[in-house]
Amino acid sequence: NAGVMQNPRHLVRRRGQEARLRCSPMKGHSHVYWYRQLPEEGLKFMVYLQKENIIDESGMPKERFSAEFPKEGPSILRIQQVVRGDSAAYFCASSPKEGLPGNTIYFGEGSWLTVV
Amino acid sequence: GNSVTQMEGPVTLSEEAFLTINCTYTATGYPSLFWYVQYPGEGLQLLLKATKADDKGSNKGFEATYRKETTSFHLEKGSVQVSDSAVYFCALEGGGATNKLIFGTGTLLAVQP
Repeated sequence: NAGVMQNPRHLVRRRGQEARLRCSPMKGHSHVYWYRQLPEEGLKFMVYLQKENIIDESGMPKERFSAEFPKEGPSILRIQQVVRGDSAAYFCASSPKEGLPGNTIYFGEGSWLTVV
Repeated sequence: GNSVTQMEGPVTLSEEAFLTINCTYTATGYPSLFWYVQYPGEGLQLLLKATKADDKGSNKGFEATYRKETTSFHLEKGSVQVSDSAVYFCALEGGGATNKLIFGTGTLLAVQP
């Protein structure tokens, strides 16, 4: 039973380029979360999605960042015109059901973005 | 809003020493509480959780008890091993109809042989 799959694991982009990070949730899971971990810091929530629907994007920067989770295919976190401050580890997590207290969410191994 | 305050690291211990990593929280109501572990270069793995007051979560020799009186969820292990070296994150559910987690800043544990 495959876990949460993220790719690429490592991505290098020049300033001004676009970064696309992909996340396939665990089988049977229809809810996806994206978190960002800046160097030497904890994880910060970015966005929570269901299929074709953004439920909570309160942690997303207002500009350059977007996320989607289409009916078919993986969830995508897209960062346009990357800057050095976007360099971080981006973690995806998934869960099978919405909002039941104590639900375990399962994390992928992360995508490490380096902006040069 | 909900928040988590976690003991600063790094924590350096000798093998077989007793471990405590402190975690306190501020929350509306009684959210579920979690400890996650992150080994170098890897993602987060759930270590243990507790969903209501006085619950004790346990796994791999680690334990934590949900204390609503002290709003705490301290992580303990009686005898650490070198393989326990990792970053440990305390987290709570952010509330609302989601399982969004709010994390502490993490505590690096280094166990020396």
